[in-house]
Amino acid sequence: EADIYQTPRYLVIGTGKKITLECSQTMGHDKMYWYQQDPGMELHLIHYSYGVNSTEKGDLSSESTVSRIRTEHFPLTLESARPSHTSQYLCASTRDTGELFFGEGSRLTVL
Amino acid sequence: AQSVTQPDIHITVSEGASLELRCNYSYGATPYLFWYVQSPGQGLQLLLKYFSGDTLVQGIKGFEAEFKRSQSSFNLRKPSVHWSDAAEYFCAVGVYNFNKFYFGSGTKLNVKP
Repeated sequence: EADIYQTPRYLVIGTGKKITLECSQTMGHDKMYWYQQDPGMELHLIHYSYGVNSTEKGDLSSESTVSRIRTEHFPLTLESARPSHTSQYLCASTRDTGELFFGEGSRLTVL
Repeated sequence: AQSVTQPDIHITVSEGASLELRCNYSYGATPYLFWYVQSPGQGLQLLLKYFSGDTLVQGIKGFEAEFKRSQSSFNLRKPSVHWSDAAEYFCAVGVYNFNKFYFGSGTKLNVKP
């Protein structure tokens, strides 16, 4: 069973609000990822981290930002949410075995 | 550029029938290939993976997949589908020593009673 947790699971907010999606893992994995998932589309990598104080933008441009000041914690922040940010956000982590462990996702709706 | 293509968006099969989900990848080097399954409201769970060696790999829940380098394919199969297999299935490729993973757009499987 994967030990990676995302909160909130569901969030409905108004335009212009600041939001933070939390992701925590208890497996000691160095590599962590944020994917954006929309129906019928491939999962798009938006951020990744290879360890503490290491963050990189993924292949899909995103207005969100991330931080990694602790190994277990990889939060994603939107300073000013817009309806175009409505999506499901999946957090994942891996050791170098290649298997990604996923959280259950955070479904964001911006009105 | 790396990419993963799953040509079938939706597939419906009858319970007990066999299943094959298609996956093609584009990657210049030896790929690390994966199949994941996602049930509604859940994250993705690993079904199986291929790194090297035997091109037919076995996974959990009775699934298997075959790597065909000449066709750049990694198709997922199951001989007899159960109603509980209804879910969305994602093919993925890991690159740069597992530093990045690219996913297909998924195939949604419906199982008829």
